[in-house]
Amino acid sequence: DAKTTQPPSMDCAEGRAANLPCNHSTISGNEYVYWYRQIHSQGPQYIIHGLKNNETNEMASLIITEDRKSSTLILPHATLRDTAVYYCIVRPLTSGTYKYIFGTGTRLKVLA
Amino acid sequence: GAVVSQHPSWVICKSGTSVKIECRSLDFQATTMFWYRQFPKQSLMLMATSNEGSKATYEQGVEKDKFLINHASLTLSTLTVTSAHPEDSSFYICSANPKGPEAFFGQGTRLTVV
Repeated sequence: DAKTTQPPSMDCAEGRAANLPCNHSTISGNEYVYWYRQIHSQGPQYIIHGLKNNETNEMASLIITEDRKSSTLILPHATLRDTAVYYCIVRPLTSGTYKYIFGTGTRLKVLA
Repeated sequence: GAVVSQHPSWVICKSGTSVKIECRSLDFQATTMFWYRQFPKQSLMLMATSNEGSKATYEQGVEKDKFLINHASLTLSTLTVTSAHPEDSSFYICSANPKGPEAFFGQGTRLTVV
């Protein structure tokens, strides 16, 4: 699976948009970008995934650059409950096994 | 969404004893489940892939004799930490995929070996 690079930590004011970047310059054509988050002492939670088009769901938006070498997860109106570690993972949609290789992630702290 | 449940949520055991952690898919069947370990302030590390009805596949560096995995049914995988030592103290997390690559994770089990 392609390696991803994320900033180790970020702060965001409550109510503002949180923009979390991820670099995946070695991504290949059949690999998707997945985002998960882990709130302290819990298991990770799926947020969103995409291939090349921007995606939006009830939790977040995913913006993938045209060359697919980077992406940004956007939490439009961050709340204190969004404080978590956010993981960007790149992997094929189907690869025979659905295991994930987690990087170090970005520790997002939402400030009141 | 799908639910994956782990039991227990936390456990304290004495050094040298074994401890079993259960991972259940509550509303779907899972032929494959995954076990991760997470040390404080670190990321999740994949330990093994649990396969229903067959042997688990362990990641490089993970001792298969120490971390015994059994996946006897389509809704249950167990991880047994044998002869536990303080260095095995960690947060153990399982996951499964109801359909496709979207993974659902258990709430985790915090193991403390004293």
